[in-house]
Amino acid sequence: GENVEQHPSTLSVQEGDSAVIKCTYSDSASNYFPWYKQELGKGPQLIIDIRSNVGEKKDQRIAVTLNKTAKHFSLHITETQPEDSAVYFCAASEADSWGKLQFGAGTQVVVTP
Amino acid sequence: EPEVTQTPSHQVTQMGQEVILRCVPISNHLYFYWYRQILGQKVEFLVSFYNNEISEKSEIFDDQFSVERPDGSNFTLKIRSTKLEDSAMYFCASRTSPEGTQYFGPGTRLLVL
Repeated sequence: GENVEQHPSTLSVQEGDSAVIKCTYSDSASNYFPWYKQELGKGPQLIIDIRSNVGEKKDQRIAVTLNKTAKHFSLHITETQPEDSAVYFCAASEADSWGKLQFGAGTQVVVTP
Repeated sequence: EPEVTQTPSHQVTQMGQEVILRCVPISNHLYFYWYRQILGQKVEFLVSFYNNEISEKSEIFDDQFSVERPDGSNFTLKIRSTKLEDSAMYFCASRTSPEGTQYFGPGTRLLVL
């Protein structure tokens, strides 16, 4: 089955700097890669996703890149703000599954003013 | 904006007792999921449900677990005889199709004593 690795486990950035989180996946058949943000006491909230037919996607300060050959994808947050502080999870979905998501271990992002 | 809701937010139970966790998916969604997150660990897939039957389940989802959509709006997860290791946050999720965005509820924190 699919295995998703995520790094780093914690990331501390100064407000205004960029943050990058990286994930690798094992199953070349995976074709959907969402990123979720989880704030304390809440469920995961989708922030951006990418499908395997696209190499990059951007939404305001957030972007995701996908390298299918290397089987890795990354989340980029520019101009970080204190409200970006949260746990971020990457996930991958297998092409022949019923949409189940395999999650990475999560990255605790702390943005300091 | 439509949301997935879950009740209760917290549940404490004695080992060996049965618990039922409840979810109300987004109304026009057809695919339903349960995930769990043991403290400090990954979010793990438990089961997916479509057309009133289980479409996929993980190794975690053994005979102690069952799911049901009793009335067309609620989606429940039952644990028949809880174990200490069932203590976790349980998340319900739903989507319109396997390719659609998966929306998560806020979770139920289950503590088994």
